[in-house]
Amino acid sequence: NAGVTQTPKFQVLKTGQSMTLQCAQDMNHEYMSWYRQDPGMGLRLIHYSVGAGITDQGEVPNGYNVSRSTTEDFPLRLLSAAPSQTSVYFCASSPDRLGDTQYFGPGTRLTVL
Amino acid sequence: KNQVEQSPQSLIILEGKNCTLQCNYTVSPFSNLRWYKQDTGRGPVSLTIMTFSENTKSNGRYTATLDADTKQSSLHITASQLSDSASYICVVLRNTGGFKTIFGAGTRLFVKA
Repeated sequence: NAGVTQTPKFQVLKTGQSMTLQCAQDMNHEYMSWYRQDPGMGLRLIHYSVGAGITDQGEVPNGYNVSRSTTEDFPLRLLSAAPSQTSVYFCASSPDRLGDTQYFGPGTRLTVL
Repeated sequence: KNQVEQSPQSLIILEGKNCTLQCNYTVSPFSNLRWYKQDTGRGPVSLTIMTFSENTKSNGRYTATLDADTKQSSLHITASQLSDSASYICVVLRNTGGFKTIFGAGTRLFVKA
């Protein structure tokens, strides 16, 4: 199993540009989530999904959209990039129980100029 | 306010020595507490997960303790190795239904030869 994969690994955007961060998992996990990690802060939840076709907002959803058309994929879309969205983004998945351990991808380092 | 506080922020120890990292939380209602290890440039990887009724959980040289009365947890690393150099993140899951994880900012551990 590849686990959780994310692409790209690095990305530089200009303010106002849009892009999609890709996330895929091959473990047949129901739960998937997106976090951002900023220096000196804990990971913060952006959006999550409890199964195909079901998504919900996390702690910091503004400026981001998600969709979950399949169990495997959970892309994160930045609608109009802002410098405040410069961060490292992690995708995670976990089995269908709320208390299960999350498996994280390797992250995408995004810089918005 | 639901928070997870970790101390120290960073720590330097010599190879072979033991160390203890602290985690205090004010998250309620409590479901479980997890410790993750995050190597530089990688996603977090689970070390231990403890529920309300568990006081101690070990994973090799890593031993986590939980005192649910004082809302404190610790991660003890025995006979440290250079590969233990990483950030250690404490995460508490709220039992509200839905997806409510609270991440600490982490402790950065440096193990020197």
